[in-house]
Amino acid sequence: GENVEQHPSTLSVQEGDSAVIKCTYSDSASNYFPWYKQELGKRPQLIIDIRSNVGEKKDQRIAVTLNKTAKHFSLHITETQPEDSAVYFCAASMGSGNEKLTFGTGTRLTIIP
Amino acid sequence: DAGVIQSPRHEVTEMGQEVTLRCKPISGHNSLFWYRQTMMRGLELLIYFNNNVPIDDSGMPEDRFSAKMPNASFSTLKIQPSEPRDSAVYFCASRDPGQGNTIYFGEGSWLTVV
Repeated sequence: GENVEQHPSTLSVQEGDSAVIKCTYSDSASNYFPWYKQELGKRPQLIIDIRSNVGEKKDQRIAVTLNKTAKHFSLHITETQPEDSAVYFCAASMGSGNEKLTFGTGTRLTIIP
Repeated sequence: DAGVIQSPRHEVTEMGQEVTLRCKPISGHNSLFWYRQTMMRGLELLIYFNNNVPIDDSGMPEDRFSAKMPNASFSTLKIQPSEPRDSAVYFCASRDPGQGNTIYFGEGSWLTVV
């Protein structure tokens, strides 16, 4: 089955700096890669996703890049703000609409004011 | 839409008691997932259903855990008997394949077994 590894497990950055979280996956058939943000005591919520037919996707301060050859994808947050502090999870699936989503172990991001 | 609805939100129970967690998926979604979240193990998929049929229950820890989905708008996760190591947040999530693979989580059920 699919295995998703995520690094780092914790990350602290100064407010205004950029943060990068990286994930690798094992199943070359995977073609859907979402990122979820979970604030303390809340549910995980989708912030951005990418499919294997594109290499990069941006949404304001958030971007995701995908390298299918190397089987890794990354989340980039620019101009970080205190409200970006949360746990971020990457995930992967085959994207057929009927497959399960396998999550990484999460990255606790702390923005230092 | 009210989103995925879970109950109870919080439960404290004694070891050995039966625990039943409930979930109502988003209307029109035909896939439903039960996840367990702990500090040590992160987000683990326990079981998922497509069109009310269990597809993959390989994540169910042991026979004390069972899940049902009697209809498209309701699912239960039961633990009997409960043990302290079952203490975790249990999330239910649903998906509409017609909208791609995005899954939407409920608020979670915070279970403490003492």
